Amino acid sequence: DVKVTQSSRYLVKRTGEKVFLECVQDMDHENMFWYRQDPGLGLRLIYFSYDVKMKEKGDIPEGYSVSREKKERFSLILESASTNQTSMYLCASSFSSGDGYTFGSGTRLTVV
Amino acid sequence: DQQVKQNSPSLSVQEGRISILNCDYTNSMFDYFLWYKKYPAEGPTFLISISSIKDKNEDGRFTVFLNKSAKHLSLHIVPSQPGDSAVYFCAAKLGSARQLTFGSGTQLTVLP
Repeated sequence: DVKVTQSSRYLVKRTGEKVFLECVQDMDHENMFWYRQDPGLGLRLIYFSYDVKMKEKGDIPEGYSVSREKKERFSLILESASTNQTSMYLCASSFSSGDGYTFGSGTRLTVV
Repeated sequence: DQQVKQNSPSLSVQEGRISILNCDYTNSMFDYFLWYKKYPAEGPTFLISISSIKDKNEDGRFTVFLNKSAKHLSLHIVPSQPGDSAVYFCAAKLGSARQLTFGSGTQLTVLP
């Protein structure tokens, strides 16, 4: 089974802190994605990557950056956390453009 | 502007009856559609998909119907079971794009 692992289930950070959310997949997938889930808004794409060191902005990239130094790892970075970034963050991966996703279990981030 | 819409935030159904979850989309270029199911504190898991060249796809208790002229798809669950209680997300893909566009989700509650 493909496994997508997010390093933290719950995080509490202070406003202005730099926050790293880590995601690792173990099936050599090309594509990796970061979404956030908010009530009434569903899943919104923040960034995705289709290869090492390659990244593409999604629908809501403002306030975020990403890093993909190795194929299996995709990090989401909040440069200066703000309270409106309190959300559930979901990482996903897929093998090719024709495939659906495999999701991680999510990280519930609270910014206080 | 949401390209994939799930207009019912919640749905309650009696055990054994049919559940019908609806999804509308605005971009006629979408050519592949998926449904994901999400339990609390878990990542979404793939349920069923349909290509735009079909109008129906069935997998056990789950059937997805696609009406391209109306830009509408629906997920039928028959018979509904309490374990089906979850949030259901509709998603759409554009051609060779890697990313999925998700709806806002529908919370299904199946009452025993």
